[in-house]
Amino acid sequence: DIQMTQSPSSLSASVGDRVTITCRASQGISNYLAWFQQKPGKAPKSLIYAASSLQSGVPSKFSGSGSGTDFILTISSLQPEDFATYYCQQYNSYPITFGQGTRLEIK
Amino acid sequence: QVQLVQSGAEVKKPGASVKVSCKTSGYSFTSYYMHWVRQAPRQGLEWMGIINPSGGGTSYAQKLQGRVTMTRDTSTSTVYMELSSLRSEDTAVYFCARRGDFSAPDYWGQGTLVTVSS
Repeated sequence: DIQMTQSPSSLSASVGDRVTITCRASQGISNYLAWFQQKPGKAPKSLIYAASSLQSGVPSKFSGSGSGTDFILTISSLQPEDFATYYCQQYNSYPITFGQGTRLEIK
Repeated sequence: QVQLVQSGAEVKKPGASVKVSCKTSGYSFTSYYMHWVRQAPRQGLEWMGIINPSGGGTSYAQKLQGRVTMTRDTSTSTVYMELSSLRSEDTAVYFCARRGDFSAPDYWGQGTLVTVSS
């Protein structure tokens, strides 16, 4: 199975900040990488597919990059509604696997 | 608009089975595979498997092989996930998620809480 490792596990930031979250795959996955946002008690929301493409309706403050084994999610100009947990997911091969999550908290 | 509406919360005893439904609307049901993902309390996301609503073909996570069955009903555009021999560790919120045009999940159901308790 492909292991996905996110860092950091948690992150404190202020409104208006720009933050980055890293996701590393245990083997190459080309660009078959997605990012999700999840708020407490809610279903995940799909943000990015193919490492860098925004899902429909997702604001451009979210951006993704990377290929192979190393990927980054960047969120610019943080707003209160952005504080949530973020997950990466590889869909290069079965079983599909997720990172452990990064909790983004207000400082 | 695309909608995935899941069945309501369930409470089951250890050893029992549970069947969760995911009723879809707003798109061509047989054109998109459907994932099932679960999340134990205060834990991360775990992929359970995927079903092709067109032919019914499935792929399951190895750890659930033999206990999980995914099916579909094309007449009602609904997919189902049945988990048997339930144990306390199966207590979780279960989500269906459509595999989108570019193979990543795009739309998610609202989740179904399954509680396994004696």
